[in-house]
Amino acid sequence: GQNIDQPTEMTATEGAIVQINCTYQTSGFNGLFWYQQHAGEAPTFLSYNVLDGLEEKGRFSSFLSRSKGYSYLLLKELQMKDSASYLCAVREWTGGSYIPTFGRGTSLIVHP
Amino acid sequence: DTEVTQTPKHLVMGMTNKKSLKCEQHMGHRAMYWYKQKAKKPPELMFVYSYEKLSINESVPSRFSPECPNSSLLNLHLHALQPEDSALYLCASSQDGSEAFFGQGTRLTVV
Repeated sequence: GQNIDQPTEMTATEGAIVQINCTYQTSGFNGLFWYQQHAGEAPTFLSYNVLDGLEEKGRFSSFLSRSKGYSYLLLKELQMKDSASYLCAVREWTGGSYIPTFGRGTSLIVHP
Repeated sequence: DTEVTQTPKHLVMGMTNKKSLKCEQHMGHRAMYWYKQKAKKPPELMFVYSYEKLSINESVPSRFSPECPNSSLLNLHLHALQPEDSALYLCASSQDGSEAFFGQGTRLTVV
């Protein structure tokens, strides 16, 4: 089983930087994903970490520390369209399958 | 083609109806998933198929019945649902070691 924790809601200003944290406890860690989900739409993939360190992808970066059970998603140069829910998902290998389990999501509100 | 296609996009059904949700992917992914998502909640895993075999059933009520006719298709058969089953049903697929790709979902309303 897993226990994934992330803040419920964050607000930030257009053009700023925001960091969304995710902590987890799992028995069979096999990667951590960040997804973005706009209201009423499907989650879209943002980033993937399986080894410790920082992965950078344009305005988005994600960091992982496996020993601390900790990840963050960093969003730079925020735009209004970045207002969405950001889901941390931890993947385990169990029952012969890779299983991503989602945290509750962080609702990010970007204001002018 | 990096798409997962779900049909229908919206479905309204009565509690005595039988309906099916469909999901299709042509990325050669061998793992396919059904998730259920209620408003302001994260997706909750229902079923996992790996190489066309059901590998995970997260204690889902029998009124939900999954089927994987081939490696590209995944169905979810619905029968005698309850109003609390109203939700967004998401299909996803992945290849070993890769991220899961999600379809746009079916918005289900049970009346």
